Amino acid sequence: TQLLEQSPQFLSIQEGENLTVYCNSSSVFSSLQWYRQEPGEGPVLLVTVVTGGEVKKLKRLTFQFGDARKDSSLHITAAQTGDTGLYLCEANFGNEKLTFGTGTRLTIIP
Amino acid sequence: GAVVSQHPSWVICKSGTSVKIECRSLDFQATTMFWYRQFPKQSLMLMATSNEGSKATYEQGVEKDKFLINHASLTLSTLTVTSAHPEDSSFYICSAALRRGSSTDTQYFGPGTRLTVL
Repeated sequence: TQLLEQSPQFLSIQEGENLTVYCNSSSVFSSLQWYRQEPGEGPVLLVTVVTGGEVKKLKRLTFQFGDARKDSSLHITAAQTGDTGLYLCEANFGNEKLTFGTGTRLTIIP
Repeated sequence: GAVVSQHPSWVICKSGTSVKIECRSLDFQATTMFWYRQFPKQSLMLMATSNEGSKATYEQGVEKDKFLINHASLTLSTLTVTSAHPEDSSFYICSAALRRGSSTDTQYFGPGTRLTVL
């Protein structure tokens, strides 16, 4: 069973600060998605990364796929209250099975 | 963008009854649909993968006779929780993918169904 660990599990910071969330596995994955989920709703796709070392930017969000394809990070610059939510990574380990990470619950304090 | 709906959005039922949850892809045909379960403050756990016209593939530990999945068309999959008990109370989320088993499939998630069993 492939495990996808996210850290930190919980994060609470002031509006305007920067933060980084990590997604790690001991196994190589062929692609990885990042989602944000708000309470009572389904996850919303933020980005898909497929190439080792790939960096993608989405406004204040920067996503990085590790060179070894075993880790990924999400960096948020100048966090806003609207960034509050549960951030989930999801990986494909090449066996057509998608696995969700353990999740990072982010709270931005006004 | 691709839209996936779920119905109902919430349901409360008595212990021992069965509950059916529908998942529909509104503007695309989904050969594969996934059903997830999410407990409060936790991540999503895959329950089963459903391919149109064939039997669902259940994850280890998920009782197929308890959670009946039917994927009768390219736009509809249903999850029936049979003889529901309070421990089945959870947030159930479906997703739909465009192609069968591709490693670069994009999943489109429904808004979820909150089931409360009294």
